[in-house]
This record gives sequence, C-alpha cells and structure tokens, in this order.
Amino acid sequence: KNEVEQSPQNLTAQEGEFITINCSYSVGISALHWLQQHPGGGIVSLFMLSSGKKKHGRLIATINIQEKHSSLHITASHPRDSAVYICAVGGADGLTFGKGTHLIIQP
Amino acid sequence: EAQVTQNPRYLITVTGKKLTVTCSQNMNHEYMSWYRQDPGLGLRQIYYSMNVEVTDKGDVPEGYKVSRKEKRNFPLILESPSPNQTSLYFCASSPRPTLTQYFGPGTRLTVL
Repeated sequence: KNEVEQSPQNLTAQEGEFITINCSYSVGISALHWLQQHPGGGIVSLFMLSSGKKKHGRLIATINIQEKHSSLHITASHPRDSAVYICAVGGADGLTFGKGTHLIIQP
Repeated sequence: EAQVTQNPRYLITVTGKKLTVTCSQNMNHEYMSWYRQDPGLGLRQIYYSMNVEVTDKGDVPEGYKVSRKEKRNFPLILESPSPNQTSLYFCASSPRPTLTQYFGPGTRLTVL
C-alpha cells in the first residue's frame, strides 16, 4: 500500500504570500491528485497529474515521478484560499490520501 | 448538472440501530467508492465498486456493507452501528479509479 506524506501539517501565512505544500509517496503511481476542502464543506478536485506541471489560475501543481514528490503552489494567496489541501495517489483500487495540510491565510 | 448526492447529510442515531446512507451519481461512472474522514487520520477508503455487482473492501471495511445493483447507486449500510463509526462519510465516483474523483457533499454521522 502506498504511503503518502504531506508537509507542513499546518500553515499560517499573510495575504499575498507564495505558498508551497509538499507531498511524497512511497510507491510508483499512475496519477496524483490535489484536493481542496473548505471548513464544513465538501471536497473538490483541483488537479490530476501524471507528469510535469499544471496551472489553474493562481494554483500550480508539479510532480517529479523519479523522486516520488509533488508540490502545490499558491501565488498571491488570499483569505479565500484558507482550506485543507489533500494529496492523494491513484492505485488500481482507488485513492490513498495524505492527512492534509491546514492552510490559513490572514488578511 | 453533474453531481454526486448523498442522503442524509446529518444523522444522529443510537448503537445497534441499522441505517443506510445513500449515494447516487448522474455521470454514468463505473467506479464508486466510500470514504470516512476522521481528525488526525484523514480520508480512508471503506469499500469500492468497479462496476455493477462488483464490490471490494478498502482499508477499513469492518462494520460496513455495500451493494451496487445499479450503476448510479452505491448505498453504504451499517447493520449495527457503534460509536467508533461516528465520522464524516464521503461517497465519490469516477470513470476509473485513477482518474479525477467527484465527491458527494458528505454525511456527518453520530452514533450514541
């Protein structure tokens, strides 16, 4: 079973700062997912990556398959980015999740 | 609108009283899965289904049952709920298990 580690577990930053959340996994995969969960809210898929880099608005996700590592970056962070960000890796029977990074962006 | 629905959204019950949480998707997805989310433990897979009449255990299946009689529905059944099943439950669907998963809104279950 894949082991998924995220860091940091908690992150508080000021509005406008550049944010990086990291994810490492133990076994080779076919796809990695970044998910977002707002307080009291549901879970939304942000990215699915199998190689390289993807960008959506102020969010950028990268993956290094050889190093088994992915990063999620948020540029020009805003209080509405405050949420839990979850990394998940895809396997034959579904997803294995990291424990999440709780991000707070202060005005 | 493409969506995954779950019912009920909130449920408080007592130990031993059988309950069912329904999950339905309108995207014709073959893969469906149930997860529970607990503080400090994150999301963990309970059961999944690759297609109609095909179900399999995830990481934490004890105390749960599922069925997949139709492609769109994947109910989660707790035959005799216990307090350690108090949790936030999510259903999800996807064309294949490695692709983007679409999550339901969650069901917050409390077992007294």
